[in-house]
Amino acid sequence: AQSVTQLGSHVSVSEGALVLLRCNYSSSVPPYLFWYVQYPNQGLQLLLKYTTGATLVKGINGFEAEFKKSETSFHLTKPSAHMSDAAEYFCAPPMDSNYQLIWGAGTKLIIKP
Amino acid sequence: GAVVSQHPSWVICKSGTSVKIECRSLDFQATTMFWYRQFPKQSLMLMATSNEGSKATYEQGVEKDKFLINHASLTLSTLTVTSAHPEDSSFYICSASEGAGGASEQYFGPGTRLTVT
Repeated sequence: AQSVTQLGSHVSVSEGALVLLRCNYSSSVPPYLFWYVQYPNQGLQLLLKYTTGATLVKGINGFEAEFKKSETSFHLTKPSAHMSDAAEYFCAPPMDSNYQLIWGAGTKLIIKP
Repeated sequence: GAVVSQHPSWVICKSGTSVKIECRSLDFQATTMFWYRQFPKQSLMLMATSNEGSKATYEQGVEKDKFLINHASLTLSTLTVTSAHPEDSSFYICSASEGAGGASEQYFGPGTRLTVT
């Protein structure tokens, strides 16, 4: 069965530091990959997605992710963390022919002042 | 961008009663709607997928007689929690997609917090 692994339920970085949230998936052919973000007391929103084309995908709020098929990874990065980035981040590749999303467990990003 | 609303945003009900949660796509037609449940400090759990005019497809372990889903139109889906119990207290989130394919983005509602006393 296809699955997603997000390494680290909590990631803490200092303001201004690099943000790296890891996501690995098990699949031979993942056509679509998503990162969603849930800010405190808000609903989910799409951060970025990879479908086809360039493997480096840019999203909202300065985030980007690189699809690496050889490593089955889709890690999320941001060069410089901001306090407003504190949120929970979910990685989600497709699951099956119905294209329902499998959710990673989520990674809570904590920003230290 | 596409907007999905949920109503109510929070609800408290007594054990044994039923509560209905509405999910609406405000500016697009939602071919597919999804219902999720989120427990504190846990990931989303997909409960069911519904396509307009069809019966919902429930995930394994989700009681279809307890969680009634109706996708009556391309802009409205409802989730009714019947005979609610305290263990049903949770955060329920709906999402909507214009297409059925994997590249279709899901637009999420703000969620409904249900507390059963």
